[in-house]
Amino acid sequence: EVQLVESGGGLVKPGGSLRLSCAASGFTFSSYSMNWVRQAPGKGLEWVSSISSSSSYIYYADSVKGRFTISRDNAKNSLYLQMNSLRAEDTAVYYCARDSGADWGQGTLVTVSS
Amino acid sequence: QSALTQPASVSGSPGQSITISCTGTSSDVGGYNYVSWYQQHPGKAPKLMIYEVSNRPSGVSNRFSGSKSGNTASLTISGLQAEDEADYYCSSYTSSSTWVFGGGTKLTVL
Repeated sequence: EVQLVESGGGLVKPGGSLRLSCAASGFTFSSYSMNWVRQAPGKGLEWVSSISSSSSYIYYADSVKGRFTISRDNAKNSLYLQMNSLRAEDTAVYYCARDSGADWGQGTLVTVSS
Repeated sequence: QSALTQPASVSGSPGQSITISCTGTSSDVGGYNYVSWYQQHPGKAPKLMIYEVSNRPSGVSNRFSGSKSGNTASLTISGLQAEDEADYYCSSYTSSSTWVFGGGTKLTVL
């Protein structure tokens, strides 16, 4: 059974940083691209970033480019999202998703507020 | 990276069929057969219902079907059931190698 478990969310002040993690199991993690998708409270889904299986290809939404960094450790079956210069509008539940959205974690809430 | 356009809400009675549209451009929906549809119940993670325009993952009811014509993709749910009441999102791969979602459609089963 595929499992994706996000962690690292919490309350952070504007301008602060946070690192999200996603622990994967139940599939060959190193064979799949991975994504971060977020959902602001009461709003729709927004794609944030993607990383290819070997980290050769990385893409970001314009809204986070230059502030967020996606990475992965295939030896640890883990996906990461380093979030810097956080803004109030980054407040959302952050999901990790496998490949083209075949599987999703339960999400971790990031709240940016003073 | 403009969001794909979906109707804000649709409704139908049990047993009826409904269709949700998802309109993009030739740079996303119209240019690739990588359109997916997700179902999301309140407080839950999204669930993949359709991938690559018209394919159903294992375990998804055959009451759910997808199609595409030009820059518009569609999700049809036949034989509506109470448990189908949820938010539905489309997504598409884009020419920038990114992904874009629709704004979401709230389905109400009357």
